[in-house]
Amino acid sequence: DIQMTQSPSSLSASVGDRVIITCRASQSIDTFLNWYQQKPGKAPKLLIYGESSLQSGVPSRFSGSGSGTDFTLTISSLQPEDFATYYCQQSYSTPITFGQGTRLENK
Amino acid sequence: QVQLQESGPGLVRPSETLSLTCTVSGDSITGYYWTWIRQPAGKGLEWIGRIFSSGSTKYNPSLRSRVSMSVDSSKSQFYLNVDSVTAADTAVYFCARNRRDVVSDVVHYYYDMDVWGQGTTVTVSS
Repeated sequence: DIQMTQSPSSLSASVGDRVIITCRASQSIDTFLNWYQQKPGKAPKLLIYGESSLQSGVPSRFSGSGSGTDFTLTISSLQPEDFATYYCQQSYSTPITFGQGTRLENK
Repeated sequence: QVQLQESGPGLVRPSETLSLTCTVSGDSITGYYWTWIRQPAGKGLEWIGRIFSSGSTKYNPSLRSRVSMSVDSSKSQFYLNVDSVTAADTAVYFCARNRRDVVSDVVHYYYDMDVWGQGTTVTVSS
């Protein structure tokens, strides 16, 4: 199985901050990397697929980059509704695997 | 817009079978892959497996011996069974639709999930 490791596991930031979350795969996954946002008690929401493509309806302050084994999710200017847990997911091979999550908290 | 709704017992006895239904509304179930994912309380996401509307399946090897999925297109529903459950199967279970797109009349299927149900909590306990 491909292991996905996110860092940091938790992050404190303020509204307006630029936030970067990283995700590392245990082997190359090309650009088959997706990002989800999950709020407490809710289902995950697809933010970015294929490493950098923004899902319809997702604000442009979210962006993704990377390839191979190292990827980043960037929130350019943090908004109040962005405090949540973020997961990366590899869709390169089955079993599909997720990172352990990054909890983004209000400083 | 398409909506997914999980349903099933919230409590299952150890060693019994967990059975869940996902009902699709607002769009056809045909021509898509459908996925089950679970999340133990306070923990991360685990992919259980996926099924195509034709019935072909792929399961997580960690669960393969205990998991089965099926689909009933006439009811716009797909299903999950997990046999011989233990407390480790206690989780929120989500159903989701796999993203697809059509380019030059060719359908491309992906393993990311663009539509999710709200999730249903299943507790395994005697």
